[in-house]
Amino acid sequence: AQSVTQLDSHVSVSEGTPVLLRCNYSSSYSPSLFWYVQHPNKGLQLLLKYTSAATLVKGINGFEAEFKKSETSFHLTKPSAHMSDAAEYFCVVRGSSNTGKLLFGQGTTLQVKP
Amino acid sequence: GAVVSQHPSWVICKSGTSVKIECRSLDFQATTMFWYRQFPKQSLMLMATSNEGSKATYEQGVEKDKFLINHASLTLSTLTVTSAHPEDSSFYICSARDFGGQETQYFGPGTRLLVL
Repeated sequence: AQSVTQLDSHVSVSEGTPVLLRCNYSSSYSPSLFWYVQHPNKGLQLLLKYTSAATLVKGINGFEAEFKKSETSFHLTKPSAHMSDAAEYFCVVRGSSNTGKLLFGQGTTLQVKP
Repeated sequence: GAVVSQHPSWVICKSGTSVKIECRSLDFQATTMFWYRQFPKQSLMLMATSNEGSKATYEQGVEKDKFLINHASLTLSTLTVTSAHPEDSSFYICSARDFGGQETQYFGPGTRLLVL
């Protein structure tokens, strides 16, 4: 069985300060993990993905995430928030089955204050 | 990157009518597409897996006779909400699975359905 938990439903940061969005997962398989971003009334955009290669994954727009198997975590970070980062962020897990099904976390709303 | 489109982007219909939503992979072939539903301020819930040339696989609790899925070609899947009711109002999002290189799912922009 798989599950993914985003530990914060809402995160608020000031522009220029670091961002940390937390995600924990459980999986019977060696998982593939993703972070997607959704801006209001827009589709989802892939930020980054982990697929059993390097544990520190760099994505677009300065985001990165570190896969920590011992902690079953895949937290998303960015050194310096920008106003345009305000959006909904989803941590997603995909198991090794061939169905390709994705399981979405509950989402974290990132607010960036000027 | 790969692009997935959806049409229409929004639709308003009367209760009891049927609505068809198209999902297209524009620059790659997708043997598998997925349909999700998203309620306001909630996460995406997988409704069904659409396989080209075969029947869709529905998730538990999703009525297959209400949400008809057809995947007639490698670039097009359609979702038809039959006899729509107000509780079907939602944001419907599709994704397409790209087997080129590392497998990635690309998401469409979504279709907002409002049933009056």
